[in-house]
Amino acid sequence: DTEVTQTPKHLVMGMTNKKSLKCEQHMGHRAMYWYKQKAKKPPELMFVYSYEKLSINESVPSRFSPECPNSSLLNLHLHALQPEDSALYLCASSHPGQGHYGYTFGSGTRLTVV
Amino acid sequence: DQQVKQNSPSLSVQEGRISILNCDYTNSMFDYFLWYKKYPAEGPTFLISISSIKDKNEDGRFTVFLNKSAKHLSLHIVPSQPGDSAVYFCAARSSGSARQLTFGSGTQLTVLP
Repeated sequence: DTEVTQTPKHLVMGMTNKKSLKCEQHMGHRAMYWYKQKAKKPPELMFVYSYEKLSINESVPSRFSPECPNSSLLNLHLHALQPEDSALYLCASSHPGQGHYGYTFGSGTRLTVV
Repeated sequence: DQQVKQNSPSLSVQEGRISILNCDYTNSMFDYFLWYKKYPAEGPTFLISISSIKDKNEDGRFTVFLNKSAKHLSLHIVPSQPGDSAVYFCAARSSGSARQLTFGSGTQLTVLP
């Protein structure tokens, strides 16, 4: 299995909703990442988990809450989002220290906040 | 402050000719540079990388050149094919323990048949 699977592919949520994005990989990668990408912009790093521990939080607002329950799963819990949070949310994984082979990205979750 | 820059938002090339995509960076602590290709509604796909201690890496039709003194890298695709039409992102990897990537803004390559 050489894929990163993200669910759901599309999500529409109201500003008072609570939802979660899920990411799964079975490649034995021990580093997992959340990126946010707005239209015509590069992916921007949000969080890095290394060996299931949060190692980087790029000053992301607390309405985004990451969770890494085990080495294969990464969640992003969403609460009280704003319309400007609408974007493509990408999950990626890599071997810590072997990122020069490139991250493996999922196809993303297209989030729309209404 | 953008640490990785792709100054050309778009590039059009005739099929069979060479495509050259450029990228500049400012941080000397990057240890690897990578190119990703992205189709609409898909995640980026890794294409090729180069270590900061090398100046060239080749994989089939794709070659990446690194000029450390100029803090510049380029991706050459030859011959270009219509299926190569996509957005190409340059990315640089930090040398710290988390190994996060910083992406450029992307170049839309269109290969004309």
